[in-house]
Amino acid sequence: AQSVTQLGSHVSVSEGALVLLRCNYSSSVPPYLFWYVQYPNQGLQLLLKYTSAATLVKGINGFEAEFKKSETSFHLTKPSAHMSDAAEYFCAVSDRGSTLGRLYFGRGTQLTVWP
Amino acid sequence: DAGVTQSPTHLIKTRGQQVTLRCSPKSGHDTVSWYQQALGQGPQFIFQYYEEEERQRGNFPDRFSGHQFPNYSSELNVNALLLGDSALYLCASSLGLAGASRNEQYFGPGTRLTVT
Repeated sequence: AQSVTQLGSHVSVSEGALVLLRCNYSSSVPPYLFWYVQYPNQGLQLLLKYTSAATLVKGINGFEAEFKKSETSFHLTKPSAHMSDAAEYFCAVSDRGSTLGRLYFGRGTQLTVWP
Repeated sequence: DAGVTQSPTHLIKTRGQQVTLRCSPKSGHDTVSWYQQALGQGPQFIFQYYEEEERQRGNFPDRFSGHQFPNYSSELNVNALLLGDSALYLCASSLGLAGASRNEQYFGPGTRLTVT
């Protein structure tokens, strides 16, 4: 079974500072990788996904993530944090080649943005 | 175009009771997955339905069962509720068949179940 590790359950940054949320996966075969965001009392919204080709993936709201096979990582970054970025962020993977796409999630990272 | 909808929004049940949660997938989607998100945790996969059959199942007891209807909507049933079943239950829809694992899953807002 896949395993996803998100280092840091809480990350705090000042508005305008760099955001870096870490994600590592366990599979020897690179899976498909996703970052989701969850605002309070809401479901999950996809920020970006890596399925093949370009290792630097750009998503919505200025976020991007880089797939590094050698490090089995898919860290999420944003150059300049905004107050509206405060939310819970989940990294998820699915098995490449799987027919129905079950997602395995990390435990999440709560991002706080200070004014 | 309606996204994924779930009902009810909130639910309070007593230990030992049974509950049914409902989900309507995004238009054009044929696969429905259910996830349980306990407080402070990431979502955990319960099971997935495609063509009205359970196709994959996570590590959940048989007390958790489901159904998919011909219009692709789905129900999650939980029998003999335990306090530990209190969680946010998320429904996600996607397109099945080849390439499904790279396809985005669209999540509904969830049903908050509280067991007392």
